[in-house]
Amino acid sequence: GNSVTQMEGPVTLSEEAFLTINCTYTATGYPSLFWYVQYPGEGLQLLLKATKADDKGSNKGFEATYRKETTSFHLEKGSVQVSDSAVYFCALRHSGNTGKLIFGQGTTLQVKP
Amino acid sequence: DTGVSQDPRHKITKRGQNVTFRCDPISEHNRLYWYRQTLGQGPEFLTYFQNEAQLEKSRLLSDRFSAERPKGSFSTLEIQRTEQGDSAMYLCASSYDRATNEKLFFGSGTQLSVL
Repeated sequence: GNSVTQMEGPVTLSEEAFLTINCTYTATGYPSLFWYVQYPGEGLQLLLKATKADDKGSNKGFEATYRKETTSFHLEKGSVQVSDSAVYFCALRHSGNTGKLIFGQGTTLQVKP
Repeated sequence: DTGVSQDPRHKITKRGQNVTFRCDPISEHNRLYWYRQTLGQGPEFLTYFQNEAQLEKSRLLSDRFSAERPKGSFSTLEIQRTEQGDSAMYLCASSYDRATNEKLFFGSGTQLSVL
């Protein structure tokens, strides 16, 4: 069945460091891929998305490229800030236009000043 | 846009009791979703509504769980005869399906603890 696997956390970085959070998926067909972020005490928010192979999603300095050949959607940011500290979830939506998503287990990012 | 609101934020109950959670979606959104999230895991889909119709239910949703959206606005999720394994964060999300790319807006969740 469809599934998403993320690198385990927590990931601890110093401010201005480079961030990579790995995400790989298993799915039939052509899923859409998403990164959601959950800040402390808040609901999940969509960070970025990509709907087809080789698409790059980007937002707030974060980027992720849909790599069908490696079934990956790794999240990157060139220079993290303390305010980026949160839990990041990779997710996929199988073909079909609904909000039924399959999430990875989440990766906690801690950025220290 | 006041966002998706969920009530209560926290619920502590004893095993065997019934509990009910409420979700108020963003007013113009016609789709409403329920997810469950346990500690250290990502959210898992439970069910969703389009207007008042419940269109899909996950196998995770046992017979003890029932969800309603009677007028196509707010929704309730009831758990009967709660078990300790029901302890989790219950998340609600809403969306507008006629948008070019459907985007989910999540509430902050209801944290259920079954003692």
